[in-house]
Amino acid sequence: AQSVTQLDSHVSVSEGTPVLLRCNYSSSYSPSLFWYVQHPNKGLQLLLKYTSAATLVKGINGFEAEFKKSETSFHLTKPSAHMSDAAEYFCVVGERYGNKLVFGAGTILRVKS
Amino acid sequence: GAGVSQSPRYKVTKRGQDVALRCDPISGHVSLYWYRQALGQGPEFLTYFNYEAQQDKSGLPNDRFSAERPEGSISTLTIQRTEQRDSAMYRCASSLGQGTSGANVLTFGAGSRLTVL
Repeated sequence: AQSVTQLDSHVSVSEGTPVLLRCNYSSSYSPSLFWYVQHPNKGLQLLLKYTSAATLVKGINGFEAEFKKSETSFHLTKPSAHMSDAAEYFCVVGERYGNKLVFGAGTILRVKS
Repeated sequence: GAGVSQSPRYKVTKRGQDVALRCDPISGHVSLYWYRQALGQGPEFLTYFNYEAQQDKSGLPNDRFSAERPEGSISTLTIQRTEQRDSAMYRCASSLGQGTSGANVLTFGAGSRLTVL
């Protein structure tokens, strides 16, 4: 069975400083991994997706994530936080030949001015 | 449409009543998914359709929950005899193809927030 652990329920950063949201996964196979972002009263938006091509994945709005198989991690980073980045972020693992996504519990990112 | 549309956005009902939640996927999307998100948690899989066929309903919590997609487009999630524990955000997603690998991407709607009193 697949699972995802987001190591921090809340992260607070100052505007202009780096962002690091941590995620560890468990999967029997080479997984598909995703980060989704949820702004208040909006749908979940895909930030980026890893599907066994490059291990460093670049997404929208300057976010990127690195797949590290040896550490079973898929941490999300951004060099410089912007106020508009404040939202809830979900790390997600997909079944290799299936249709289910398994979500982590989410990390709420707060950006201070 | 341009995105996945869900209605109602908010539903408050009394315990014991039936509710129906509607999802209108992106035009042409083959696959449709329902997820449930409790407060403070990530979304959890409920069920999945490929065209009109319900391929996987393993996430439906009990037989009070059912879903249909009769013409392979709009889907309805029905909860009978609602209970307070059913209160949650119900999210629908659609995708052009099947599966979670490769280029297939799920697009989520804004959700329907259900409150059972």
